[in-house]
Amino acid sequence: GEQVEQLPSILRVQEGSSASINCSYEDSASNYFPWYKQEPGENPKLIIDIRSNMERKQIQELIVLLDKKAKRFSLHITDTQPGDSAMYFCAARDYGNEKITFGAGTKLTIKP
Amino acid sequence: GGIITQTPKFLIGQEGQKLTLKCQQNFNHDTMYWYRQDSGKGLRLIYYSITENDLQKGDLSEGYDASREKKSSFSLTVTSAQKNEMAVFLCASSMGTGGGAEQFFGPGTRLTVL
Repeated sequence: GEQVEQLPSILRVQEGSSASINCSYEDSASNYFPWYKQEPGENPKLIIDIRSNMERKQIQELIVLLDKKAKRFSLHITDTQPGDSAMYFCAARDYGNEKITFGAGTKLTIKP
Repeated sequence: GGIITQTPKFLIGQEGQKLTLKCQQNFNHDTMYWYRQDSGKGLRLIYYSITENDLQKGDLSEGYDASREKKSSFSLTVTSAQKNEMAVFLCASSMGTGGGAEQFFGPGTRLTVL
């Protein structure tokens, strides 16, 4: 089955700077890559996603990049704010079925 | 909009006990999922179901059973609770179009085994 590796597991950045999280996957058939944000005590919530027919997608301060050839995708948060502190999970979806495989998560802390 | 309800919110069991967790969604979604999340860790897929009465194993299905009794509900059974086990079990659902439908998560059931 699909395996998703997510790095780093812990990330601390200064408020106002950028934060980057990187994921890689194994199954070349995966065609959908969502990113979830989970705040303490809350359930994960989708913040941005990208499909395999795109290389870049931006929603406000969130940018996702997809390199299908390298089987890598990444999340970049520009101009980070204290409210960006949370756990972030990447995921990859197998083409043709409903199974979604998650990365192990990145704990992002924004330092004031 | 819709909502996913998980019951119970907290579940305390004894070693060896059979425990059942329930999930209901009113999104009219086709696909439902059960994930296990250990403290500070990622989500591991236990079972998922693409339609009523369907069941698909995830990566962590051993030690669990699941049942999709109807489209709106998906239950998970821990067949024999392990001592000192602590985790949050998250239910999720999606439209299930196969093209990348967003997953919506429930609030979770926090399991503690004494």
